[in-house]
Amino acid sequence: AQSVTQLDSQVPVFEEAPVELRCNYSSSVSVYLFWYVQYPNQGLQLLLKYLSGSTLVESINGFEAEFNKSQTSFHLRKPSVHISDTAEYFCAVVRTGNTPLVFGKGTRLSVIA
Amino acid sequence: KAGVTQTPRYLIKTRGQQVTLSCSPISGHRSVSWYQQTPGQGLQFLFEYFSETQRNKGNFPGRFSGRQFSNSRSEMNVSTLELGDSALYLCASSPRTGEGETQYFGPGTRLLVL
Repeated sequence: AQSVTQLDSQVPVFEEAPVELRCNYSSSVSVYLFWYVQYPNQGLQLLLKYLSGSTLVESINGFEAEFNKSQTSFHLRKPSVHISDTAEYFCAVVRTGNTPLVFGKGTRLSVIA
Repeated sequence: KAGVTQTPRYLIKTRGQQVTLSCSPISGHRSVSWYQQTPGQGLQFLFEYFSETQRNKGNFPGRFSGRQFSNSRSEMNVSTLELGDSALYLCASSPRTGEGETQYFGPGTRLLVL
């Protein structure tokens, strides 16, 4: 069974600084990878996903993630964060073949003014 | 389009009772999945329904059950509630079933078991 490890449970960062949220997965077969964001008192929203093709995927609000098959990682990055990016971020993986999505435990990003 | 709606938003029950949670997917979406979110275990998959059929089931006891209606609305039921069932229950819908599908989440139902 696949699993997802988000290496940092909490990441504080100053406004306009860069940030990287780390995600590693374990699977010996092909996977699809997702990042979801959860703002306070809301459900999750898709940030970006990797299905195939270019290993670098981008979201509309400046986040990007790179699929690294050899390191089984899908780290999320943003070059300059805003206060409004404060939220919990979840990495998720699904193995091809009628299997459910598996989420990491989440990383709470706190942006400090 | 309206988003995924879940009712009720908050619920307080006592041990031994049962509870039914409801989820209305985005119009046109035929797949509905349920997740349990707790601080200790994170997000755990409960089950997925597509066209009224359960496609997948997570590792939860039989006290957790669900169903989907012909209009794609879904309900989940938890019988004989335990303190550990206190959690945020999230419903997500997608247009089709499949591993690459984006899931659209509702705001959740927060259940407190006393």
